[in-house]
Amino acid sequence: DAGVTQSPTHLIKTRGQQVTLRCSPKSGHDTVSWYQQALGQGPQFIFQYYEEEERQRGNFPDRFSGHQFPNYSSELNVNALLLGDSALYLCASSFGTGFGGNSPLHFGNGTRLTVT
Amino acid sequence: AQSVAQPEDQVNVAEGNPLTVKCTYSVSGNPYLFWYVQYPNRGLQFLLKYITGDNLVKGSYGFEAEFNKSQTSFHLKKPSALVSDSALYFCAVRDGWGATNKLIFGTGTLLAVQP
Repeated sequence: DAGVTQSPTHLIKTRGQQVTLRCSPKSGHDTVSWYQQALGQGPQFIFQYYEEEERQRGNFPDRFSGHQFPNYSSELNVNALLLGDSALYLCASSFGTGFGGNSPLHFGNGTRLTVT
Repeated sequence: AQSVAQPEDQVNVAEGNPLTVKCTYSVSGNPYLFWYVQYPNRGLQFLLKYITGDNLVKGSYGFEAEFNKSQTSFHLKKPSALVSDSALYFCAVRDGWGATNKLIFGTGTLLAVQP
């Protein structure tokens, strides 16, 4: 049973460029959430996708956008990269948007983005 | 607003000794609380959760946590630490109510277990 998979594992970009990160949820899950974890900090919620729509959004600028595909996989796009966007980007999946059935969030190993 | 605090950046313990990693929370209403562990260059692994019921919650790898409503705490514990427990531990609380699983995380506590 595959868990949450993210690609790529590492990425180096230059300021002003755009980046796309990808996530495949755990088998049986239909909801994908994205988190940003800066060095030395806890993860911060970016947004959540369910039924191919953004359902919740954290305090992140419009430069951060996403998409969910019919197979429940998801992409995170960041435009006009800033040095401060350097972080570990974590994808988490779940069945539904709540904790129904007491199911916890399952996280992938993340994509390490470095902006130079 | 919901929040969690982890007052210790690092906890040092000798192998075989009991360990405690502290977490306090601030929520309005009944909290949903979680502990996750992160090994270097890896994602977060779920350890345990408190939603309702018994105040002592048992989780993975021999960890447990005690929910204390009067002290608004949810400390992570293990009776006998292993060197392999060395990792970064995060406490988290559900942000909001109803059909949401959005989490707010603490800043993390680095657990170092010496052999």
